[in-house]
Amino acid sequence: AQTVTQSQPEMSVQEAETVTLSCTYDTSENNYYLFWYKQPPSRQMILVIRQEAYKQQNATENRFSVNFQKAAKSFSLKISDSQLGDTAMYFCAFVRGGSNYKLTFGKGTLLTVNP
Amino acid sequence: EAGVAQSPRYKIIEKRQSVAFWCNPISGHATLYWYQQILGQGPKLLIQFQNNGVVDDSQLPKDRFSAERLKGVDSTLKIQPAKLEDSAVYLCASSLDGTGAGPPTDTQYFGPGTRLTVL
Repeated sequence: AQTVTQSQPEMSVQEAETVTLSCTYDTSENNYYLFWYKQPPSRQMILVIRQEAYKQQNATENRFSVNFQKAAKSFSLKISDSQLGDTAMYFCAFVRGGSNYKLTFGKGTLLTVNP
Repeated sequence: EAGVAQSPRYKIIEKRQSVAFWCNPISGHATLYWYQQILGQGPKLLIQFQNNGVVDDSQLPKDRFSAERLKGVDSTLKIQPAKLEDSAVYLCASSLDGTGAGPPTDTQYFGPGTRLTVL
């Protein structure tokens, strides 16, 4: 079974600064995909960024980028130029390739962006 | 484009009572998911439908939870009887196709959730 660990329950950052959220996972699979989801207070969960394990290049989406270290089974999220609207719970998630896309989530990191 | 709709948004019941949640996925989405999100934890998949068939219900407590997706569109999740530990947010999500036939670049779109409190 796959497990996803987010070791930082809470983090805070000043507006316009950069913050990195950590995620590690455990799997024996070689074909898998990793995701970061954002859940703002009282709002819907949305996908922030995804990474295919077979790709060496780290995924980027505007101010969001990941540092994917396959050998270390590490998948961190970097948010640049933090904005107040980035305040949310961030979940790291794993899905095994070729499966029914069953997402396994970590416990989440509550990020607060301070003005 | 309308998103995933869920109702009710909040529900408070006594233990041993029954409760039902409703989900309307994004139009045209074949795959529908129900997740349970207990406070302080990430969502856990309860059941996944592909059209009106069940793909995965391995983590659904079948002695008290049931779900159906009639005509492959709307879905209901029922709990009967409820226990204190069922207090959680129940999230519904949908995607175009989650069959695993190809790379899972198919995004899951989540609804706002139903917050259930069992007293």
